[in-house]
Amino acid sequence: GDSVTQMEGPVTLSEEAFLTINCTYTATGYPSLFWYVQYPGEGLQLLLKATKADDKGSNKGFEATYRKETTSFHLEKGSVQVSDSAVYFCALSDQAGTALIFGKGTTLSVSS
Amino acid sequence: DTEVTQTPKHLVMGMTNKKSLKCEQHMGHRAMYWYKQKAKKPPELMFVYSYEKLSINESVPSRFSPECPNSSLLNLHLHALQPEDSALYLCASSYLDRGRYTEAFFGQGTRLTVV
Repeated sequence: GDSVTQMEGPVTLSEEAFLTINCTYTATGYPSLFWYVQYPGEGLQLLLKATKADDKGSNKGFEATYRKETTSFHLEKGSVQVSDSAVYFCALSDQAGTALIFGKGTTLSVSS
Repeated sequence: DTEVTQTPKHLVMGMTNKKSLKCEQHMGHRAMYWYKQKAKKPPELMFVYSYEKLSINESVPSRFSPECPNSSLLNLHLHALQPEDSALYLCASSYLDRGRYTEAFFGQGTRLTVV
């Protein structure tokens, strides 16, 4: 079945460092891909999305490119802030779009 | 209105109690979901409603009973829960785009503690 694999955390960075969180997927057809962020004690917020190959999703300085050849959707940010500390989930929606399949989540901790 | 609203935010219940979680959205989304999330884990899908009909039940125990009274409301009725059911319960909704449901919009969740 469809699945999402993302790098294990926690990821610990200093403010203004470069961030990469790796995400790869297994799916039949052409899934839509998403990054969600969850701040402590809150629900999930959609960070960015891409619906077809070579699409780049971007929001709040974060970017991810849908790479079908490598089945990847890595999250990047050029300069992280303390306020970016959260759990990040990579997810896909299959062709039926029935529901989301999540990766295990990566905890990011940014210190000043 | 681009929000999914869940009530209550926190709930403590005994194992013999009956309680309900409520979820509301006014975005016109025709799919609504219940997820369960344990600490440091991803959300686990419980139920999916599509056009007010239950379309997916992920083998959830019968002590959890979903209900979708109309296109804006989703309830989760709880009865005879166990302590291991303590978790964050998340409601979400999504819309159809060219025949496919797309990204889910999540509420803030209900933090449930079973004592």
